[in-house]
Amino acid sequence: QMQLQQSGPGLVRPAETLTLTCSVSGVSISSRDFYWVWIRQPPGQGLDWLGNVFASGRIYYNPSLKSRLSLSLDTSTGQLSLALHSVTAADTAVYYCASGSSLSREVKYWGQGTRVAVSS
Amino acid sequence: DTVLTQSPDSLAVSLGESATINCRSNQTVLYSSNNKNYLGWFQQKPGQPPKLLIYWAATRDSGVPDRFSGSGSGTDFTLTISSLQAEDVAVYYCHQYIRTPYTFGQGTRLEIK
Repeated sequence: QMQLQQSGPGLVRPAETLTLTCSVSGVSISSRDFYWVWIRQPPGQGLDWLGNVFASGRIYYNPSLKSRLSLSLDTSTGQLSLALHSVTAADTAVYYCASGSSLSREVKYWGQGTRVAVSS
Repeated sequence: DTVLTQSPDSLAVSLGESATINCRSNQTVLYSSNNKNYLGWFQQKPGQPPKLLIYWAATRDSGVPDRFSGSGSGTDFTLTISSLQAEDVAVYYCHQYIRTPYTFGQGTRLEIK
């Protein structure tokens, strides 16, 4: 059974870089059977898609964040990474890593979420 | 972007009754090559990540009770919860994954009347 374990700071200062990691277990992160997704949820609001990462190296970003967002995958450590630069209070949210089936594409497995506040 | 609009925003239903949530897309999510609708439904309870209920518009994920059902095609979709249970209180989101950027509906809050 796939598990996604997230880690990262709960507080980031404005204008700094938010960095989160997601450790994948139960399946190889380089498996072509899955792809990897980042989603966030501002407090009391809905879900916002950030991007998709494929083991092939393809990455799709939300255009609204593309200039500030960097997603990556490390097959040696089995970890996904997210870096969001120049954060503002609007980036305060719960950040989720998740996994989708490459065949049917539905997003099924989710990490526990990391609550991040941007504040000085 | 593919905009998903859910209705209603909130819903109160008596235990044992049925709840219906609608999701309308401004673009088709039907992929003609395989005749699959790339539309899913999630349930989210407070403090928890979303849980996948339905994918391909009408396929229940493994372990999801059969009182949850999805229907629709193209641009109009419905999630039906029959015989509402207390544990079904949650926010429900539709989600399209046919094209990027992936998008979600705004959510429907389901409560017990």
